[in-house]
Amino acid sequence: DTGVSQDPRHKITKRGQNVTFRCDPISEHNRLYWYRQTLGQGPEFLTYFQNEAQLEKSRLLSDRFSAERPKGSFSTLEIQRTEQGDSAMYLCASSPYGQGRDTQYFGPGTRLTVL
Amino acid sequence: QKEVEQDPGPLSVPEGAIVSLNCTYSNSAFQYFMWYRQYSRKGPELLMYTYSSGNKEDGRFTAQVDKSSKYISLFIRDSQPSDSATYLCAMTPMGTSYGKLTFGQGTILTVHP
Repeated sequence: DTGVSQDPRHKITKRGQNVTFRCDPISEHNRLYWYRQTLGQGPEFLTYFQNEAQLEKSRLLSDRFSAERPKGSFSTLEIQRTEQGDSAMYLCASSPYGQGRDTQYFGPGTRLTVL
Repeated sequence: QKEVEQDPGPLSVPEGAIVSLNCTYSNSAFQYFMWYRQYSRKGPELLMYTYSSGNKEDGRFTAQVDKSSKYISLFIRDSQPSDSATYLCAMTPMGTSYGKLTFGQGTILTVHP
């Protein structure tokens, strides 16, 4: 069990560019979550998957954001036409939903800076 | 008004002190409660997970839940400098939205030697 991994750890981009982040959950965890955390705030829920199905999306997730989990394993979060307000830490978490204690294990996050 | 309110601190205590961290919430649908610890520039790490009202102890940590008052607490006994971090409360409802965590703002704790 190597834990949740995220790539890249840091991303600096210019406003208007597209960015994509990857999350690799703990193997055999069927649920995968994305959160966004800004400085001095707690994480805010964005979306989550059970296997490959996206079950819920937050109102925070505008149409510039899209997330996928094509084979129920890793997930990607894409932000199109980035804005300065998108600057934040993007956190991924996974959990073994329905397999006993359903606790979420977080990755180290991807820190996005939009210039 | 936020669904979960948490005093951001910062809180500074001497080594060995008992630390009390608190959150209040307004949504009675929240049924599962967690405390996470987050070191600077790291992801949150789960400390405690509770469901029932009452106390749950794990080593130096005690989580307390009072659903009637919509109030949860985390107590840290014999605090250590390594406990210096941001502490986040989180909660989730039962049912179809289970797992969608709502976090507090986080309390910054510093334990000085």
